Amino acid sequence: EAGVVQSPRYKIIEKKQPVAFWCNPISGHNTLYWYLQNLGQGPELLIRYENEEAVDDSQLPKDRFSAERLKGVDSTLKIQPAELGDSAVYLCASSPRGYNGELFFGEGSRLTVL
Amino acid sequence: AQSVTQPDIHITVSEGASLELRCNYSYGATPYLFWYVQSPGQGLQLLLKYFSGDTLVQGIKGFEAEFKRSQSSFNLRKPSVHWSDAAEYFCAVVGGNKLVFGAGTILRVKS
Repeated sequence: EAGVVQSPRYKIIEKKQPVAFWCNPISGHNTLYWYLQNLGQGPELLIRYENEEAVDDSQLPKDRFSAERLKGVDSTLKIQPAELGDSAVYLCASSPRGYNGELFFGEGSRLTVL
Repeated sequence: AQSVTQPDIHITVSEGASLELRCNYSYGATPYLFWYVQSPGQGLQLLLKYFSGDTLVQGIKGFEAEFKRSQSSFNLRKPSVHWSDAAEYFCAVVGGNKLVFGAGTILRVKS
């Protein structure tokens, strides 16, 4: 069974540039999550989807971050414009329907903003 | 709101020695508790979970954890550490439909 796939694994951009991350969850997993992991910290939830619906986006900085999950499968997280403080690892995770905290994580996308 | 504290940022143990990583949580109701492991450059992998029942839970790779409600703790243990256990370990709690992680403990294994 294929795991959660994320791309790109690494991205270096200049500040004020846009960037996008893509995630393909495990087949059949209805719930998809985007987490932000800063250096030396635990992951923090940015947004959670149930199928196509964003059911928790309270921690997503909506002035510069956006996300979509068209057709309830893969998802894209976008930052525009990027700031120096956005340098971090962006983790995607998925889980079957029914939320109980058992998440399957991708390897993450490491963003460096110069 | 729920929170998780992992008091140790780094721990170093010798290969073959026993290990205990500490985790304290704050949550008003009965928590769902987890330990995840993250190897360098990898995503997080679930080690074990506690939902209810037996307070000593077994996980993958020989790890176990004990839930102690009176101490609000969920410490992770392993009787004999292998060099491949070197990684970062995260304790997490579910509360209010949200999974909240601690800051993590980095485990170093010396030969």
